Amino acid sequence: EPEVTQTPSHQVTQMGQEVILRCVPISNHLYFYWYRQILGQKVEFLVSFYNNEISEKSEIFDDQFSVERPDGSNFTLKIRSTKLEDSAMYFCASSVREGNTEAFFGQGTRLTVV
Amino acid sequence: AQKITQTQPGMFVQEKEAVTLDCTYDTSDPSYGLFWYKQPSSGEMIFLIYQGSYDQQNATEGRYSLNFQKARKSANLVISASQLGDSAMYFCAMREPIYNQGGKLIFGQGTELSVKP
Repeated sequence: EPEVTQTPSHQVTQMGQEVILRCVPISNHLYFYWYRQILGQKVEFLVSFYNNEISEKSEIFDDQFSVERPDGSNFTLKIRSTKLEDSAMYFCASSVREGNTEAFFGQGTRLTVV
Repeated sequence: AQKITQTQPGMFVQEKEAVTLDCTYDTSDPSYGLFWYKQPSSGEMIFLIYQGSYDQQNATEGRYSLNFQKARKSANLVISASQLGDSAMYFCAMREPIYNQGGKLIFGQGTELSVKP
C-alpha cells in the first residue's frame, strides 16, 4: 500500500541551526501539507502546497519556515534558525485532491532542539 | 473560539465493548468535512473515517461508525467490539469549507482511549 515517508524519524539539533525535514508523498497525490504536534498537544496546521506554491499557511509558519518541492518526489520543510519551542513532531501529509478526501500522514519526524 | 472540541481527555473501555468518543464542532459554513484519525503510541496518524456535511447517511468503516448530528454540530466516533489494539489517541478534525483553498485540517485536542482486557 502506498504511504507517505518521512526522514529522519528523529533529529536533534542545536538552537540556531538550520534543519531540513524530508518527505516523500504518495506518488499520484497533488496536495501536500506540513503539520506539527508539540508533545501532548493537538496537531496544528503549518502549510499546504499545491501546484508548486503555497496554498495556505498558518500564523505559526513565519519567515523562519520554508517549503520546497525540489524534484518530482520530495517535499521538504526547512527551519532556518531553530528555537527551543520548535521542538515537536512534524508530520507531512498528502492527498490526491482537496475536498472530501482524507490526507495520508507520514510517520512523523521528532525534532528536538537543545 | 475552538473549532473542534473533544471534551474527553481520556476514556476507558472494556475489551469487546463499544465506546463513543465525543466531538463537537463550530462552523457557519454549510459545506464541511469531518475526519477521525487514530494515533497509536508509535506516533503515526491513521485515517479512520470521513463524514461530509451533505451526506445523508452516517459513515461506517468496519468497526468504526460516525454518529453525525448536524443540528447539534456533533460527530461522535463509535468503536464497536473494542480490541486491545484500539488503545491510542483519537483526533477529530474538520475541513471547512470542504473545498477550501488549501485543504487544511483543523484538529481537536484528542481523546486517549485505553482498552482494558
